[in-house]
Amino acid sequence: DAKTTQPPSMDCAEGRAANLPCNHSTISGNEYVYWYRQIHSQGPQYIIHGLKNNETNEMASLIITEDRKSSTLILPHATLRDTAVYYCIVRVTKNDMRFGAGTRLTVKP
Amino acid sequence: NAGVTQTPKFRVLKTGQSMTLLCAQDMNHEYMYWYRQDPGMGLRLIHYSVGEGTTAKGEVPDGYNVSRLKKQNFLLGLESAAPSQTSVYFCASSYRLAGVYEQYFGPGTRLTVT
Repeated sequence: DAKTTQPPSMDCAEGRAANLPCNHSTISGNEYVYWYRQIHSQGPQYIIHGLKNNETNEMASLIITEDRKSSTLILPHATLRDTAVYYCIVRVTKNDMRFGAGTRLTVKP
Repeated sequence: NAGVTQTPKFRVLKTGQSMTLLCAQDMNHEYMYWYRQDPGMGLRLIHYSVGEGTTAKGEVPDGYNVSRLKKQNFLLGLESAAPSQTSVYFCASSYRLAGVYEQYFGPGTRLTVT
């Protein structure tokens, strides 16, 4: 199983970029990296995913290292509403999305 | 477009009682999932379905049963509730696109078993 390692918590100043790291050193060649977030007690929300190339959408950017052993989720201009738990997930099979403990990001004014 | 909805939002059961949680999606997704989330932890997959009439076990299936009689609905049943099943239950659905499975989650059901 490809597992992920994330810091338990991070702080970020409002308006600044939030960079959330994730290690997935045992990832295999065909496994995607997914990022979700969970605001308070709501259901998780999909943010972005990638395989090899860097990806960007309206919410965030995903930077994957060339060896694919780590990635960074970037929220370019964090707001207070971005305070949440962020999960980095490497899909093992199409029906097995293992959520770890994630990183609790606190955006401070 | 309501997305994924869950019924009920809250429920308190006594040990040994039974109940069914209902999940509905209006996105015509093939795949549906049931997760549980215990305090301070990530989500764990209970059961999932890859299509109408099919179900399969996830990581923590014991004590639960599921049914997918209609494509838009996925039911989670607890036949004899136990205090260890106190948790928040999330339903999710996803479409299939070129091997990528982005999941859409419901708001959750908070279940307490006393």
